[in-house]
Amino acid sequence: DAKTTQPTSMDCAEGRAANLPCNHSTISGNEYVYWYRQIHSQGPQYIIHGLKNNETNEMASLIITEDRKSSTLILPHATLRDTAVYYCIVRVGNFGNEKLTFGTGTRLTIIP
Amino acid sequence: SAVISQKPSRDICQRGTSLTIQCQVDSQVTMMFWYRQQPGQSLTLIATANQGSEATYESGFVIDKFPISRPNLTFSTLTVSNMSPEDSSIYLCSAYDGGTEAFFGQGTRLTVV
Repeated sequence: DAKTTQPTSMDCAEGRAANLPCNHSTISGNEYVYWYRQIHSQGPQYIIHGLKNNETNEMASLIITEDRKSSTLILPHATLRDTAVYYCIVRVGNFGNEKLTFGTGTRLTIIP
Repeated sequence: SAVISQKPSRDICQRGTSLTIQCQVDSQVTMMFWYRQQPGQSLTLIATANQGSEATYESGFVIDKFPISRPNLTFSTLTVSNMSPEDSSIYLCSAYDGGTEAFFGQGTRLTVV
């Protein structure tokens, strides 16, 4: 699986949009971008994933650049409960039957 | 979505002893995995738990230290053997139910003294 690069930490004001970048310059054509988050003392939680089109669900939006070498996870109206470590993972396949390799992630802190 | 329960949620163990962690899923799943998260670190995959056969271990992890069982499609155990303080970590079970996302348990926080 391709390697990802994320900022170590970010702050965002409560109520504002949180934009978390991820670089995956070596991504292959059949690799998907997945985002998970881990709130303190809990197991990781799935957020969203995509291949090349932008995706949106009830939690977040995922913007993937046209060359697919980077992406941005957007939390539209951040709340204090969004404080967590966010992991960007690139992996082959759209089906959840393969192991996930976690990088170091971005520690997002929502400021009141 | 699958719900994963891990037992125990935390434990304090003496060095040299072993601890077995249980992972129970509320529905049949295709794949189960075990991760380790050392203090302040990201998750590291230990192994894939295979039903009815030996687990598949990642580099740096061996069966003698981390024996794994998976007797059926909903249950798996991880044993941390001959523990030392360096084994103090959170151990997480993960599973896939055939969908597009993985589910994780809440983890077992292990402290070895």
